[in-house]
Amino acid sequence: NAGVTQTPKFRVLKTGQSMTLLCAQDMNHEYMYWYRQDPGMGLRLIHYSVGEGTTAKGEVPDGYNVSRLKKQNFLLGLESAAPSQTSVYFCASSYSRGDDEQFFGPGTRLTVL
Amino acid sequence: KNEVEQSPQNLTAQEGEFITINCSYSVGISALHWLQQHPGGGIVSLFMLSSGKKKHGRLIATINIQEKHSSLHITASHPRDSAVYICAVRSGGSQGNLIFGKGTKLSVKP
Repeated sequence: NAGVTQTPKFRVLKTGQSMTLLCAQDMNHEYMYWYRQDPGMGLRLIHYSVGEGTTAKGEVPDGYNVSRLKKQNFLLGLESAAPSQTSVYFCASSYSRGDDEQFFGPGTRLTVL
Repeated sequence: KNEVEQSPQNLTAQEGEFITINCSYSVGISALHWLQQHPGGGIVSLFMLSSGKKKHGRLIATINIQEKHSSLHITASHPRDSAVYICAVRSGGSQGNLIFGKGTKLSVKP
């Protein structure tokens, strides 16, 4: 099992460009999450999904959109990238929303110039 | 004030030392998680606890719900324990989101 994978691992964008980050999990987890990690701050939740076809806003959703068309995939989109979105993005998944362990992907380092 | 505070922010130890990392939180929680972020960036879950104490190998996690405090202990530390250790709490009931601390960077010297 690959666990949670993220594509791409690194990306450099110019301000105003768009891109999509892909997260895939092969553990049949219902719940998936997108976090961002910035220097000097804890992980912050961007959006999450409680099942196929559902999404919800987290703590810092502005400037991002998400989709969960298939249970195993969770996409994070930046429609018009801004330098403030320079960050490391982590995807995670869990079996339930309760106090289950979350499994994290390896991260995507995004730089917006 | 952050809802989850970790101390110390940075910690350097000699191989073999006993290490303690602390986490204090200011909200009601249903559970507390300890995670490890490797130097390469990967994050793995170490413990999830809502009361008492858990042990896995050389790692021990404790929580005091009344005092809103948790500790992560590493016995007989080793250079491979060098990582960032992150505390996270789930508030707002079992359906609430995780709130993460900023992490404690541990460096164990041989």
